Amino acid sequence: AQSVTQLDSQVPVFEEAPVELRCNYSSSVSVYLFWYVQYPNQGLQLLLKYLSGSTLVKGINGFEAEFNKSQTSFHLRKPSVHISDTAEYFCAVRGLRTSGTYKYIFGTGTRLKVLA
Amino acid sequence: EAQVTQNPRYLITVTGKKLTVTCSQNMNHEYMSWYRQDPGLGLRQIYYSMNVEVTDKGDVPEGYKVSRKEKRNFPLILESPSPNQTSLYFCASSPKVVQGGQETQYFGPGTRLLVL
Repeated sequence: AQSVTQLDSQVPVFEEAPVELRCNYSSSVSVYLFWYVQYPNQGLQLLLKYLSGSTLVKGINGFEAEFNKSQTSFHLRKPSVHISDTAEYFCAVRGLRTSGTYKYIFGTGTRLKVLA
Repeated sequence: EAQVTQNPRYLITVTGKKLTVTCSQNMNHEYMSWYRQDPGLGLRQIYYSMNVEVTDKGDVPEGYKVSRKEKRNFPLILESPSPNQTSLYFCASSPKVVQGGQETQYFGPGTRLLVL
């Protein structure tokens, strides 16, 4: 079965400090991984995705993530956060149903709170 | 502008009163999906549709119905809402999922539902 675990439900960090949001997955099929961001009172928007190729993926707003197959992780990082990065972040994996169709499995989310 | 729209954005109703949440996308996407978001549970898929007249259950379909009569629209129907359906609902769409193809889901702004 496919699953996604986000180990931290909340992460407070000071402005201009680096941050890492952790994500671990399990999947028995080809791994497609995503990070989405949800700003207050808005829908989710894609930050970055890993489909294949280079294990270091760069996304929007200065975020990047590294796919680590041996550790089954896809942690999200930013070297220097801004107040505007305060949001909820979701890790997701594309999995496979028993019917053979694809499904997206989301983690429970990590609330990033950037402090002035 | 490419977008997914949902209506209404906010809804308060009473137990048993049928309601419909509309979802429309203008990107000619084949795949559409409904999720509910609950604290500590992340996003869970309710129903999805691979194309017109093709729908299937997600992980939490009980108490919901959907239809896909046109490619752009994917309404979510609650025939007899109950308080445990109080949640934040998101519609999403993406192009046809093919191996190595576009994987990004585009999310609507969300519908916050309260069932009394």
